Amino acid sequence: SQQGEEDPQALSIQEGENATMNCSYKTSINNLQWYRQNSGRGLVHLILIRSNEREKHSGRLRVTLDTSKKSSSLLITASRAADTASYFCATEPDSWGKLQFGAGTQVVVTP
Amino acid sequence: DAGITQSPRHKVTETGTPVTLRCHQTENHRYMYWYRQDPGHGLRLIHYSYGVKDTDKGEVSDGYSVSRSKTEDFLLTLESATSSQTSVYFCAIRPHEGLHQETQYFGPGTRLLVL
Repeated sequence: SQQGEEDPQALSIQEGENATMNCSYKTSINNLQWYRQNSGRGLVHLILIRSNEREKHSGRLRVTLDTSKKSSSLLITASRAADTASYFCATEPDSWGKLQFGAGTQVVVTP
Repeated sequence: DAGITQSPRHKVTETGTPVTLRCHQTENHRYMYWYRQDPGHGLRLIHYSYGVKDTDKGEVSDGYSVSRSKTEDFLLTLESATSSQTSVYFCAIRPHEGLHQETQYFGPGTRLLVL
């Protein structure tokens, strides 16, 4: 079964705009992670937020977590063409790394 | 790069044949994972390993087996390939300690087509 569900499935924006995508999950988590995948490549870890954290920043990335709503959001500010990729949220129910991924949000940033 | 390679990178095989995919790491990490990626499903965990000869099933393990006889290698075997196993397979490693112990590092993937 799929733990995470991303919304929207696809997002098209222009360079300089912000991109926001959301992730909802079903069961309790130890942490939630966001990964990026460029076409035809492996996944790259972006950011991790633990269940006792509400917000985290890394460069142009901002992640929020609301455990009461079982949801998270990823904000990419001042997007660039190089941000074009698919973005996946993944939840870790315990500390053993058995990640459960959503289906992803495909982001296209046009110059 | 996290020092992960997968082989082969592409494979075409016929239904009913056995297939083995190899994941090799140079990081000496204990934790290794096999996922498959299909359109509309994200990645799903097939099997995982917490060390040599210590493996367990993931979410979609039916039709797959794994072996880990050395820290650096984690093998995924499709005993008798079926068309439903056409997918992209990713291996991942994870440090078991340190600052990034919860981060997984992914290999480049293996595209498998079962005819």
